[in-house]
Amino acid sequence: GAGVSQTPSNKVTEKGKYVELRCDPISGHTALYWYRQSLGQGPEFLIYFQGTGAADDSGLPNDRFFAVRPEGSVSTLKIQRTERGDSAVYLCASSPFSGNYNEQFFGPGTRLTVL
Amino acid sequence: GDSVTQMEGPVTLSEEAFLTINCTYTATGYPSLFWYVQYPGEGLQLLLKATKADDKGSNKGFEATYRKETTSFHLEKGSVQVSDSAVYFCALSDPGNQFYFGTGTSLTVIP
Repeated sequence: GAGVSQTPSNKVTEKGKYVELRCDPISGHTALYWYRQSLGQGPEFLIYFQGTGAADDSGLPNDRFFAVRPEGSVSTLKIQRTERGDSAVYLCASSPFSGNYNEQFFGPGTRLTVL
Repeated sequence: GDSVTQMEGPVTLSEEAFLTINCTYTATGYPSLFWYVQYPGEGLQLLLKATKADDKGSNKGFEATYRKETTSFHLEKGSVQVSDSAVYFCALSDPGNQFYFGTGTSLTVIP
């Protein structure tokens, strides 16, 4: 079956621009996570959705970052006024239901480069 | 807050050697513990997990035991293969469903 997909796979933008990164979770998965992974580091939690609502957005670094999941399926991570420090791989993961022992299924990531 | 500390790499082993990658955690509650693997050019995938103390997770010849007394979840494999070359991430999830990942350990197995 189809896994988690993310688009675009690569995004190059200029400092100050706005970007949107899209995640299509596995069909039926109610939980969706966004992470940011910098070179040589592990994934860093950004935000977690359960259904349409953000259950935990404590990992968003500042108010330039925002994410939505209006219909409880596809999610978009939005970054305003991008900075060079935002350059990283942005990972999305989905999980069939909440509970701290459930496997997360990861997408391939979007590599964001801010020039 | 909760966190995971794992052994820094890179690790280079000969085929059929014994592998240990250390992982320790800090958590206020009762987390679940995971090892994820990232093969070259691929996304993160779950390797094994353990949900309570003394549980042993195992998959593809890899094992890890949830040790509450030492707050550890070390990954082991008795005989590594070239195909095991990848980056390995230790992770925990707290009761709030937030996941914390270690920095990753790169393993290269040479024939």
